[in-house]
Amino acid sequence: AQKVTQAQTEISVVEKEDVTLDCVYETRDTTYYLFWYKQPPSGELVFLIRRNSFDEQNEISGRYSWNFQKSTSSFNFTITASQVVDSAVYFCALSEGTGTASKLTFGTGTRLQVTL
Amino acid sequence: NAGVTQTPKFQVLKTGQSMTLQCAQDMNHNSMYWYRQDPGMGLRLIYYSASEGTTDKGEVPNGYNVSRLNKREFSLRLESAAPSQTSVYFCASSDRTRRFSEAFFGQGTRLTVV
Repeated sequence: AQKVTQAQTEISVVEKEDVTLDCVYETRDTTYYLFWYKQPPSGELVFLIRRNSFDEQNEISGRYSWNFQKSTSSFNFTITASQVVDSAVYFCALSEGTGTASKLTFGTGTRLQVTL
Repeated sequence: NAGVTQTPKFQVLKTGQSMTLQCAQDMNHNSMYWYRQDPGMGLRLIYYSASEGTTDKGEVPNGYNVSRLNKREFSLRLESAAPSQTSVYFCASSDRTRRFSEAFFGQGTRLTVV
């Protein structure tokens, strides 16, 4: 069975600090995808990134960066120079692909609070 | 472009009542999903439909039924609501032609069963 662990339940930082959200996963599949979603206080789920199991290159998008390490089964997410608008719950998810549908296994989420 | 639309946004039910949550997507996606979100538990898959005409159970299907009405619409029915079904329900869709494609989520339905 697949499993995603986000051990950090809640993180509080002051604006402009860097923050890393941890994600550790378990799967027996050799081909899989990992995702990060953001859930702001308004409640919707916003897709941030999708990474496949064969691509261990780090990715940077503006203030966001992702570090995928297959050796440690981790897919960590770093926000550089955090802003108040980054305050949200962040979910890491793993896709079990059967070829016909991509079902997601979610972690329990990390609530990030950024204050002035 | 509305994406994934869920109705209603809020609902209060009494124990034993039934109701149907509606979901429609306008992205021409083949696959659709229903998840529930409970505090401290993340999102869990209830049912999914890989394509029109098929439905399958997810992790927590008990107490629910689904109908894939057509390619656009996927409804979730609670036949006899229980307090344990108090949750936020999310519908999602994804593009089956892109394997492991990201899911797009609706705004959620906050359901309270009293």
